Amino acid sequence: DGGITQSPKYLFRKEGQNVTLSCEQNLNHDAMYWYRQDPGQGLRLIYYSQIVNDFQKGDIAEGYSVSREKKESFPLTVTSAQKNPTAFYLCASSIASGSNQPQHFGDGTRLSIL
Amino acid sequence: GDSVTQMEGPVTLSEEAFLTINCTYTATGYPSLFWYVQYPGEGLQLLLKATKADDKGSNKGFEATYRKETTSFHLEKGSVQVSDSAVYFCALRGVGGTSYGKLTFGQGTILTVHP
Repeated sequence: DGGITQSPKYLFRKEGQNVTLSCEQNLNHDAMYWYRQDPGQGLRLIYYSQIVNDFQKGDIAEGYSVSREKKESFPLTVTSAQKNPTAFYLCASSIASGSNQPQHFGDGTRLSIL
Repeated sequence: GDSVTQMEGPVTLSEEAFLTINCTYTATGYPSLFWYVQYPGEGLQLLLKATKADDKGSNKGFEATYRKETTSFHLEKGSVQVSDSAVYFCALRGVGGTSYGKLTFGQGTILTVHP
């Protein structure tokens, strides 16, 4: 079945540590997105990518980095510069960023601080 | 910039009650509008969408009509079930300037349905 796979489901980070969240899709979608979800604040866009080897900052990119070396993969690194990383992280993809097609979401990764 | 405002929750209803969750938006041009649903511990699932004025999206008994004149996209269901308990997000996909293609979400509304 086609879909988006995020791993791990739960992740713990120590102080000063970088951690990487995985996102893989087999939907053949061009565009991919990373969101952060905090209670009562909805979803906020961290980074997005419209095509391989290209990505743009979203609304809250500070303390995060991404890469898009393959169409199906869009990993997110939460760096030690992100001082409040505890949140639920959601990856999404769509056919093209400029179309009116919906975004499809993975099941998320919950990141906590040890 | 684009923005979406949803009615504040949580909303608590009895089974078979009528549901309305209000959603209004601010955007340039004619954005596409979406309702997503999130069950506990899961990602978001698309519930319904509308891409132009006066379109009605519907799915699983839920409906929402794209009202350009009132910039609204209210979610309704005639008879809710316990299994409808979830968080509901209204979202728009912008078409103007730097917002092109980007999804903007409301803050989410928690719905709890009791037997």
